[in-house]
Amino acid sequence: DAKTTQPNSMESNEEEPVHLPCNHSTISGTDYIHWYRQLPSQGPEYVIHGLTSNVNNRMASLAIAEDRKSSTLILHRATLRDAAVYYCILPEYNFNKFYFGSGTKLNVKP
Amino acid sequence: EAQVTQNPRYLITVTGKKLTVTCSQNMNHEYMSWYRQDPGLGLRQIYYSMNVEVTDKGDVPEGYKVSRKEKRNFPLILESPSPNQTSLYFCASRLDSEQYFGPGTRLTVT
Repeated sequence: DAKTTQPNSMESNEEEPVHLPCNHSTISGTDYIHWYRQLPSQGPEYVIHGLTSNVNNRMASLAIAEDRKSSTLILHRATLRDAAVYYCILPEYNFNKFYFGSGTKLNVKP
Repeated sequence: EAQVTQNPRYLITVTGKKLTVTCSQNMNHEYMSWYRQDPGLGLRQIYYSMNVEVTDKGDVPEGYKVSRKEKRNFPLILESPSPNQTSLYFCASRLDSEQYFGPGTRLTVT
Protein backbone atom coordinates (compact mmCIF):
# COMPACT_ATOMS: atom_id res chain seq x y z
CA ASP A 1 0.00 0.00 0.00
CA ALA A 2 1.24 3.43 -0.87
CA LYS A 3 1.22 5.16 2.52
CA THR A 4 -0.02 8.56 3.52
CA THR A 5 0.04 10.24 6.92
CA GLN A 6 -2.59 12.73 8.03
CA PRO A 7 -3.45 14.34 11.36
CA ASN A 8 -6.32 12.60 13.09
CA SER A 9 -8.36 15.76 13.50
CA MET A 10 -8.38 19.47 12.81
CA GLU A 11 -10.65 22.33 13.71
CA SER A 12 -11.59 25.43 11.77
CA ASN A 13 -13.85 28.41 12.08
CA GLU A 14 -16.62 28.94 9.58
CA GLU A 15 -15.72 31.14 6.59
CA GLU A 16 -11.99 30.84 7.27
CA PRO A 17 -9.53 28.94 5.06
CA VAL A 18 -8.53 25.43 6.05
CA HIS A 19 -5.27 23.74 5.16
CA LEU A 20 -5.34 19.95 5.49
CA PRO A 21 -1.85 18.41 5.29
CA CYS A 22 -0.82 15.00 3.99
CA ASN A 23 2.61 13.40 4.02
CA HIS A 24 3.51 10.79 1.43
CA SER A 25 7.27 10.49 1.65
CA THR A 26 7.42 7.19 -0.28
CA ILE A 27 5.49 8.49 -3.28
CA SER A 28 6.73 7.33 -6.66
CA GLY A 29 7.08 9.48 -9.74
CA THR A 30 3.86 8.20 -11.28
CA ASP A 31 1.63 8.26 -8.18
CA TYR A 32 -1.27 10.66 -8.35
CA ILE A 33 -2.49 12.28 -5.14
CA HIS A 34 -6.23 12.03 -4.61
CA TRP A 35 -8.44 13.57 -1.96
CA TYR A 36 -11.86 12.32 -0.98
CA ARG A 37 -14.12 13.34 1.85
CA GLN A 38 -16.88 11.58 3.72
CA LEU A 39 -19.69 13.59 5.20
CA PRO A 40 -21.52 12.09 8.18
CA SER A 41 -23.72 9.14 7.23
CA GLN A 42 -22.75 9.30 3.56
CA GLY A 43 -20.42 7.56 1.18
CA PRO A 44 -17.13 9.21 0.29
CA GLU A 45 -17.06 11.82 -2.44
CA TYR A 46 -14.25 12.88 -4.72
CA VAL A 47 -12.68 16.25 -3.99
CA ILE A 48 -9.62 16.73 -6.17
CA HIS A 49 -6.50 15.05 -7.51
CA GLY A 50 -3.15 16.02 -8.97
CA LEU A 51 0.28 14.79 -10.01
CA THR A 52 2.83 17.58 -9.83
CA SER A 53 1.24 20.96 -10.38
CA ASN A 54 -1.14 22.69 -8.03
CA VAL A 55 -4.78 22.09 -8.96
CA ASN A 56 -7.97 24.02 -8.43
CA ASN A 57 -11.61 23.11 -8.81
CA ARG A 58 -14.93 24.35 -7.52
CA MET A 59 -14.54 22.49 -4.24
CA ALA A 60 -10.92 23.04 -3.25
CA SER A 61 -7.31 23.61 -4.19
CA LEU A 62 -4.50 21.09 -4.00
CA ALA A 63 -1.00 22.33 -3.31
CA ILE A 64 1.74 19.78 -4.00
CA ALA A 65 5.23 20.23 -2.63
CA GLU A 66 8.03 20.47 -5.14
CA ASP A 67 9.53 17.16 -4.00
CA ARG A 68 6.00 15.65 -3.96
CA LYS A 69 6.55 14.19 -0.49
CA SER A 70 3.65 16.19 0.90
CA SER A 71 0.52 17.96 -0.24
CA THR A 72 -2.11 20.25 1.23
CA LEU A 73 -5.81 20.37 0.53
CA ILE A 74 -7.08 23.92 0.82
CA LEU A 75 -10.69 24.81 1.48
CA HIS A 76 -10.82 28.53 0.83
CA ARG A 77 -13.82 29.32 3.02
CA ALA A 78 -14.94 26.54 5.28
CA THR A 79 -18.66 26.09 5.79
CA LEU A 80 -20.46 23.90 8.30
CA ARG A 81 -21.18 21.51 5.45
CA ASP A 82 -17.44 20.93 5.03
CA ALA A 83 -17.29 19.09 8.36
CA ALA A 84 -16.23 15.63 7.26
CA VAL A 85 -13.41 13.10 7.25
CA TYR A 86 -10.87 13.97 4.54
CA TYR A 87 -8.80 11.22 3.00
CA CYS A 88 -5.51 11.64 1.16
CA ILE A 89 -4.93 8.64 -1.12
CA LEU A 90 -2.30 7.43 -3.57
CA PRO A 91 -4.22 4.99 -5.81
CA GLU A 92 -2.30 2.02 -7.16
CA TYR A 93 -2.47 -0.10 -10.30
CA ASN A 94 -3.81 2.57 -12.64
CA PHE A 95 -6.32 3.89 -10.08
CA ASN A 96 -7.78 0.43 -9.52
CA LYS A 97 -6.74 -0.01 -5.88
CA PHE A 98 -7.53 2.62 -3.27
CA TYR A 99 -6.26 2.58 0.30
CA PHE A 100 -8.27 5.08 2.32
CA GLY A 101 -6.50 5.08 5.68
CA SER A 102 -8.04 6.86 8.66
CA GLY A 103 -8.13 10.39 7.26
CA THR A 104 -8.46 13.74 9.04
CA LYS A 105 -11.68 14.57 10.79
CA LEU A 106 -12.42 18.26 10.18
CA ASN A 107 -14.63 20.07 12.64
CA VAL A 108 -15.98 23.46 11.54
CA LYS A 109 -17.14 25.82 14.26
CA PRO A 110 -19.82 28.44 13.64
CA GLU B 1 -29.68 11.67 -12.28
CA ALA B 2 -26.26 10.04 -12.33
CA GLN B 3 -26.00 7.73 -9.37
CA VAL B 4 -24.86 4.51 -7.77
CA THR B 5 -27.63 2.60 -6.03
CA GLN B 6 -27.34 -0.20 -3.49
CA ASN B 7 -29.94 -2.58 -2.18
CA PRO B 8 -30.82 -3.30 0.47
CA ARG B 9 -29.77 -0.30 2.54
CA TYR B 10 -30.13 -2.21 5.78
CA LEU B 11 -30.01 -5.95 6.37
CA ILE B 12 -30.00 -8.10 9.47
CA THR B 13 -29.31 -11.77 8.83
CA VAL B 14 -28.08 -14.89 10.55
CA THR B 15 -24.79 -16.71 10.27
CA GLY B 16 -24.55 -18.94 7.21
CA LYS B 17 -27.54 -17.64 5.28
CA LYS B 18 -26.38 -16.65 1.80
CA LEU B 19 -27.07 -13.08 0.80
CA THR B 20 -26.46 -10.71 -2.09
CA VAL B 21 -26.07 -6.95 -1.95
CA THR B 22 -26.81 -5.39 -5.30
CA CYS B 23 -25.03 -2.40 -6.79
CA SER B 24 -26.06 -0.61 -9.94
CA GLN B 25 -24.76 2.49 -11.73
CA ASN B 26 -26.34 4.44 -14.58
CA MET B 27 -23.21 6.24 -15.78
CA ASN B 28 -21.83 3.56 -18.10
CA HIS B 29 -18.66 3.34 -16.01
CA GLU B 30 -16.32 0.46 -16.71
CA TYR B 31 -14.78 0.35 -13.24
CA MET B 32 -16.70 -0.65 -10.13
CA SER B 33 -15.58 -1.53 -6.63
CA TRP B 34 -16.77 -2.69 -3.22
CA TYR B 35 -15.55 -1.42 0.16
CA ARG B 36 -16.35 -2.15 3.74
CA GLN B 37 -16.06 0.40 6.53
CA ASP B 38 -15.48 -0.52 10.14
CA PRO B 39 -14.82 1.72 13.15
CA GLY B 40 -11.11 2.24 13.64
CA LEU B 41 -10.23 0.45 10.40
CA GLY B 42 -11.53 2.93 7.86
CA LEU B 43 -12.58 1.97 4.34
CA ARG B 44 -11.06 -1.20 2.97
CA GLN B 45 -11.40 -2.40 -0.60
CA ILE B 46 -12.96 -5.86 -1.04
CA TYR B 47 -13.07 -6.41 -4.80
CA TYR B 48 -12.97 -4.31 -7.90
CA SER B 49 -13.87 -4.81 -11.54
CA MET B 50 -12.24 -3.08 -14.46
CA ASN B 51 -14.91 -4.18 -16.93
CA VAL B 52 -17.45 -6.89 -17.69
CA GLU B 53 -16.12 -10.33 -16.68
CA VAL B 54 -12.93 -8.75 -15.24
CA THR B 55 -12.67 -8.74 -11.45
CA ASP B 56 -9.79 -8.67 -8.99
CA LYS B 57 -9.21 -8.84 -5.27
CA GLY B 58 -8.81 -5.83 -3.08
CA ASP B 59 -7.32 -5.84 0.41
CA VAL B 60 -9.99 -7.91 2.20
CA PRO B 61 -11.63 -10.36 -0.26
CA GLU B 62 -11.95 -13.35 2.08
CA GLY B 63 -15.55 -14.48 2.52
CA TYR B 64 -16.88 -12.48 -0.42
CA LYS B 65 -17.60 -13.14 -4.07
CA VAL B 66 -18.48 -10.77 -6.87
CA SER B 67 -19.64 -11.05 -10.45
CA ARG B 68 -19.72 -8.61 -13.33
CA LYS B 69 -21.95 -9.98 -16.05
CA GLU B 70 -23.09 -6.59 -17.31
CA LYS B 71 -21.55 -3.16 -17.08
CA ARG B 72 -24.12 -1.52 -14.86
CA ASN B 73 -24.32 -4.16 -12.10
CA PHE B 74 -21.74 -5.43 -9.62
CA PRO B 75 -23.34 -7.58 -6.90
CA LEU B 76 -21.51 -8.55 -3.71
CA ILE B 77 -22.22 -12.11 -2.60
CA LEU B 78 -21.71 -13.50 0.88
CA GLU B 79 -22.05 -17.28 0.52
CA SER B 80 -21.90 -17.99 4.24
CA PRO B 81 -21.96 -14.76 6.24
CA SER B 82 -20.29 -14.63 9.62
CA PRO B 83 -20.54 -12.05 12.42
CA ASN B 84 -17.16 -10.56 11.48
CA GLN B 85 -18.74 -9.44 8.20
CA THR B 86 -21.03 -7.09 10.10
CA SER B 87 -20.08 -3.78 8.55
CA LEU B 88 -21.09 -0.80 6.41
CA TYR B 89 -20.60 -1.60 2.74
CA PHE B 90 -20.09 0.87 -0.07
CA CYS B 91 -20.17 0.30 -3.79
CA ALA B 92 -18.45 2.72 -6.15
CA SER B 93 -18.01 3.27 -9.86
CA ARG B 94 -15.33 5.30 -11.56
CA LEU B 95 -14.90 7.39 -14.64
CA ASP B 96 -11.26 8.34 -15.22
CA SER B 97 -9.98 9.40 -11.81
CA GLU B 98 -13.21 10.23 -9.96
CA GLN B 99 -15.06 7.55 -7.97
CA TYR B 100 -18.78 7.86 -7.29
CA PHE B 101 -20.01 6.09 -4.18
CA GLY B 102 -23.37 4.63 -3.34
CA PRO B 103 -25.25 5.43 -0.13
CA GLY B 104 -24.07 2.34 1.71
CA THR B 105 -25.57 -0.91 3.00
CA ARG B 106 -25.48 -1.58 6.70
CA LEU B 107 -25.22 -5.32 7.26
CA THR B 108 -25.57 -7.06 10.60
CA VAL B 109 -24.85 -10.77 10.87
CA THR B 110 -25.99 -12.41 14.11
